[in-house]
Amino acid sequence: QITLKESGPTLVKPTQTLTLTCTFSGFSLSTTGVGVGWIRQPPGKALEWLALIYWDDNKVYSPSLKNRLTITKDTSKNQVVLTMTNMDPVGTATYYCAHYIDMARGGYYFDFWGQGILVAVSS
Amino acid sequence: QSVLTQPPSASGTPGQRVTISCSGSSSSIGNNFVNWYQQLPGTAPKLLIYKNNQRPSGVPDRFSGSKSGTSASLAISGLRSEDEADYFCASWDDSLSYVFGTGTKVTVL
Repeated sequence: QITLKESGPTLVKPTQTLTLTCTFSGFSLSTTGVGVGWIRQPPGKALEWLALIYWDDNKVYSPSLKNRLTITKDTSKNQVVLTMTNMDPVGTATYYCAHYIDMARGGYYFDFWGQGILVAVSS
Repeated sequence: QSVLTQPPSASGTPGQRVTISCSGSSSSIGNNFVNWYQQLPGTAPKLLIYKNNQRPSGVPDRFSGSKSGTSASLAISGLRSEDEADYFCASWDDSLSYVFGTGTKVTVL
């Protein structure tokens, strides 16, 4: 079965860089049509998509955060890493990674999610 | 960046039918598939509906989705206490941004 798990710091200071790792199992990120994305959710608020990396290493970023985000993959380790620079308190949120499937006319969606990691940004 | 607008709340008694709307634009819903996610309290979101009206394996047929023009809807029929959750619609935007809706909290009275 497909599982994903986020890891990283639970507290970062303002202006620091946040680095999160998604470790997954049950699928390969070299399979056509597969991707892994990051989504965050501030406490009590809506979901916000951040970035997505595809099996072919194509990357897509949220336009509003594009300048601060980098997503990479290590297919051999079954990991995807997200870095976000210049963190500020509004970045306090639960960060999720999720398996993405692109079946073109068959649909495209995040179908399996990690449990999430709560990251606080505070001095 | 596009916004998908949902009502903040919806409610019903057990057994009732509840409908949640999701309003987008021609560059989002109007030109892309809509997905719906259910988030039970304290848990990660779960895919409920994909490609406008398709249910993943294991999702009860009490949940149904539809899309018309630049709007979409999620219907829950035969409302049950375990359906109390937050629901989010989502769609790609033509600017290559995956957009989530503002979210709707469903309460079972």
